[in-house]
Formats: sequence, structure tokens, C-alpha cells
Amino acid sequence: GQQVMQIPQYQHVQEGEDFTTYCNSSTTLSNIQWYKQRPGGHPVFLIQLVKSGEVKKQKRLTFQFGEAKKNSSLHITATQTTDVGTYFCASGYALNFGKGTSLLVTP
Amino acid sequence: EAQVTQNPRYLITVTGKKLTVTCSQNMNHEYMSWYRQDPGLGLRQIYYSMNVEVTDKGDVPEGYKVSRKEKRNFPLILESPSPNQTSLYFCASSYRGAEAFFGQGTRLTVV
Repeated sequence: GQQVMQIPQYQHVQEGEDFTTYCNSSTTLSNIQWYKQRPGGHPVFLIQLVKSGEVKKQKRLTFQFGEAKKNSSLHITATQTTDVGTYFCASGYALNFGKGTSLLVTP
Repeated sequence: EAQVTQNPRYLITVTGKKLTVTCSQNMNHEYMSWYRQDPGLGLRQIYYSMNVEVTDKGDVPEGYKVSRKEKRNFPLILESPSPNQTSLYFCASSYRGAEAFFGQGTRLTVV
């Protein structure tokens, strides 16, 4: 399957600071999906990127797919306590997940 | 309401006692999969199925079995559970690799 590596594993920010998580692959990815899992919850789909260089925004969240389709990023502007959770990237028809980035936001 | 239903939500069992975790989806999705989630290891895929009677191993299939006799159901079977299978399990379904919908999770403890 299409293996993806995610960094950082953990991130602790003050509320209002920005946050970015990165997803990298050694091979070209057919697509990339991003999910959010709140503490105690299940992963919930955020977005799918398919095209090289694609950028999509959802309010304070910006998602990018690299030109070579080997990396992706999720950027959150001005974090809020509601952003707490683990963010996963996933790729491939069989949906292989990265290990996730756990975000902690301190008020 | 579109959903993926897993049962049970919580289970404590003893080593060697066969168990089945059920998963059902009402969205007519072709694709279903099972993951286990352990601290620091993310979501690791156990098995997936691209359609009825079509199943394939994921990254950590040892000790697990699955079946896909009907499109809506994808049970996970542990023939002889061991303590290292203590974990949080998620079932997911999607239409041809698009947005995946996850069940609520099953927290399994094997003592």
C-alpha cells in the first residue's frame, strides 16, 4: 500500500498560535485524505486532495497537496481549544493511515 | 441516517476464548476495513474488503480473520485472542476509496 509518514507526532500550542502537520511519502500518492479524531472519538473525514499542487480551505484549516504528489500539509490558523485532537493523513484505495499528529491547545 | 455500527463497544475477555466484533454499514459501500489503534502507533489496518467475498490482508493481519458474505456486514473474528490484541478497534466503510465513515470503536481487553 501507499505508506505515509506524519510529523510531528505531538504538538502543544497556546490558543491563537498556528499549527501545521506534515504528511510525506517516498512514492507518488494517488490521493490524500485528512481526518480528525477528537479524544475518545472516532476519526472523522475532513477533506480529500487529488490534484498536484491542490490547495483547499475550510475556515481556519488549509490543506495542501505537493506538486510531486509525495507530500501534504494541514495548517490551522489561530488555533482554538476545539481544535484539540489527533489529525491523520491517509492515502491509497486501501486507505493506509499515518501515525497521526496529536494537537494539544492550551487556553 | 448514514452510519457504521460496531458491536460491542466494550469487551473484556480471557485468553483463547473466540470472539467476534460485528460491523454493519447502511450506505451500500463496497469498501470496508478494520483498524486497530494503539498509543503512538496510529491506525494500523488489519484487513480490508473491496466487495462481497473479496478480502485482503492489511499491515497487521496475524491473529485475525474476516468474512464478507454480505455487502453491509464485515465481522472481525479473533479465534484465540491473546493479551497483545488488547486494543481499540475501528471498522470503516467507503465508496471506492472516497470519504471513509468510521464506527464508534470497540475497546477490547484480553486478560
